[in-house]
Amino acid sequence: GAVVSQHPSRVICKSGTSVKIECRSLDFQATTMFWYRQFPKQSLMLMATSNEGSKATYEQGVEKDKFLINHASLTLSTLTVTSAHPEDSSFYICSAGRNTEAFFGQGTRLTVV
Amino acid sequence: KQEVTQIPAALSVPEGENLVLNCSFTDSAIYNLQWFRQDPGKGLTSLLLIQSSQREQTSGRLNASLDKSSGRSTLYIAASQPGDSATYLCAADIKAAGNKLTFGGGTRVLVKP
Repeated sequence: GAVVSQHPSRVICKSGTSVKIECRSLDFQATTMFWYRQFPKQSLMLMATSNEGSKATYEQGVEKDKFLINHASLTLSTLTVTSAHPEDSSFYICSAGRNTEAFFGQGTRLTVV
Repeated sequence: KQEVTQIPAALSVPEGENLVLNCSFTDSAIYNLQWFRQDPGKGLTSLLLIQSSQREQTSGRLNASLDKSSGRSTLYIAASQPGDSATYLCAADIKAAGNKLTFGGGTRVLVKP
């Protein structure tokens, strides 16, 4: 199947700092990618839709100024958590679709201390 | 708004028993439905994808059915093994949303040796 690579897999940062997470489609081009968040023992919740060459679309309740998304090329989307706080600690995971199937990255475990 | 529900939330079975995982969705206008496996702290592994025009898909010991009219999908895992222990997630692809998935809460499966 298609490969989506996400980096880093784990990151620990201090409160108030920013963290960037990368999502790459390795063997296909993706004009649209999706960012999800998963809190412990909960399911995945869509945060935003990343659109190549245009602004991201955020789901209700997700702060666009806090979660900056950039989709500068057809194979790369980045999510930057700005001024991170402990409540932002979560599992972040991206996906990209090819044909009719969604493929997911490995996820990033963010811990804000 | 599409809502996806998975019952039961947790399931424990002895090795060798067949597993039946249920997924229901409120809006039958789905593009496809995917089943995923998630191991603790890991990303998602796609198991089966059922297009809206299909009624079932099979891969090895896995079989997934789809009944759009009743808003249900079922994942069957035959002859369960301890290695099948994981959380299983179903996700509905909203029609024409480009692989934008709505996830169920997941079923946590434990297969005892």
